This record gives sequence, C-alpha cells and structure tokens, in this order.
Amino acid sequence: QTVVTQEPSLTVSPGGTVTLTCASSTGAVSSGYYPNWFQQKPGQAPRALIYSTIHKHPWTPARFSGSLLGGKAVLTLSGVQPEDEADYYCLLYYGGFNVFGGGTRLTVL
Amino acid sequence: EVRLVQSGAEVKKPGESLKISCKGSGYTFSNYWIGWVRQRPGKGLEWMGIIYPGDSDTRYSPSFEGQVTISADKSMSTAFLQWRSLKASDTAIYFCARPNTLYGDFTDWGQGTLVTVSS
Repeated sequence: QTVVTQEPSLTVSPGGTVTLTCASSTGAVSSGYYPNWFQQKPGQAPRALIYSTIHKHPWTPARFSGSLLGGKAVLTLSGVQPEDEADYYCLLYYGGFNVFGGGTRLTVL
Repeated sequence: EVRLVQSGAEVKKPGESLKISCKGSGYTFSNYWIGWVRQRPGKGLEWMGIIYPGDSDTRYSPSFEGQVTISADKSMSTAFLQWRSLKASDTAIYFCARPNTLYGDFTDWGQGTLVTVSS
C-alpha cells in the first residue's frame, strides 16, 4: 500500500517561515509525481495552492511556494500570516491514481 | 464560473445502498475529469477515484476499488458515487472536485456531502 507522509503538526510564529514536507513510501518524490498542495480550514472544502511541484494558482498568495528537496516535495510559507493556520495536504500522482498525505496541522502562534 | 453542487446529507443504516451526486456547471462537463475525496470525521483527505465523463474512463484508488462505484451522466452534467452495502466506517464527508488534468490539480470543489451510517 502506497503511503504519503507529512509532518502531523508544526507551529510557526507570525512573520516566520515554515517548511512542510511530503514523502512517498515508494522512494524519492520527483516532478513525475506532480505534487499538489492544498489548504483546508475547519468546515471548508480544501483549496488548491500549488500544482505540479512549483506552480501557483492565480489565487495563491505569493508567500506560498513549492519545491523538491532531499527526495521530498516541499511547501514553504514565508512571512506567515495568522490566516495561514490550517491543515495542509499534499497529493501525489502514481500513474493512474493519486494519494493524499496524512496532512499537517499548522498552528500560527 | 465553475460550480460543483453536491446532493444533500444522508443518514443510512448499515447494509443499505446509496448514490450521491455532484452536478457541474459553468464549463463543458464532458471535457474534464471529476474526482471523489473522502474525509472521515476529524481525519485527513483520501483520494477515492476519478472519472472522465466524455468516455467514462474511470480510475480507482486501490483502497477503494470494489468498495464504491463512480459513474457520470453527461446529459445531466452529473457525477455519482455509489455504495451497494454501506458500513459504519463509510461515515464521512464526501467531496467531488474537478482537476484540470489527471495529475490531481483539483481547482474546483463541491461543498461536500455528509454521509452518516448508523444503526
């Protein structure tokens, strides 16, 4: 069974920088996994932030960026705002189906 | 404006069948994949499967293959998620979502359908 692993929780101070990672049980994550990142706030549907590793949607704030580092997909938030407190999920493509990571709960404190 | 409108909340008993829906508007329904995502109470997102209404090409997560059926009716611009025999563990919110490609870039989401399975 394919497992995608994220940090369960992270805490960051307002204005700070935080890095969320996304690892695959099958090995190093590459661009061929087309990593996507989503943000979900309580009671809401998820919202897409990043697609195909690095690409932002028109509504994605500039402080969010995606990359690959050390065999993982990475979501970096620079200059964190209080409204960034949310759950973040990565999604990887496995040649016919996708798998979400377990999610990272980001606390801004 | 793209809109995905899902059917309302359901309360069912174990063993009952169920079909929930997701109606797309504001775009050519046949030309875009539609996927389904499960979220159990207090838990994370789970990718269930996806269908291309144009030719009914359907892909399932190995975790959900055989457990649910995904279908679509082009004439109604509606996708469906169906169970033959519900279990308590199927209690969850189910989201439909539209990606631009097969690679998971779900840009548009339905509001979610809460399915409660309880005796």
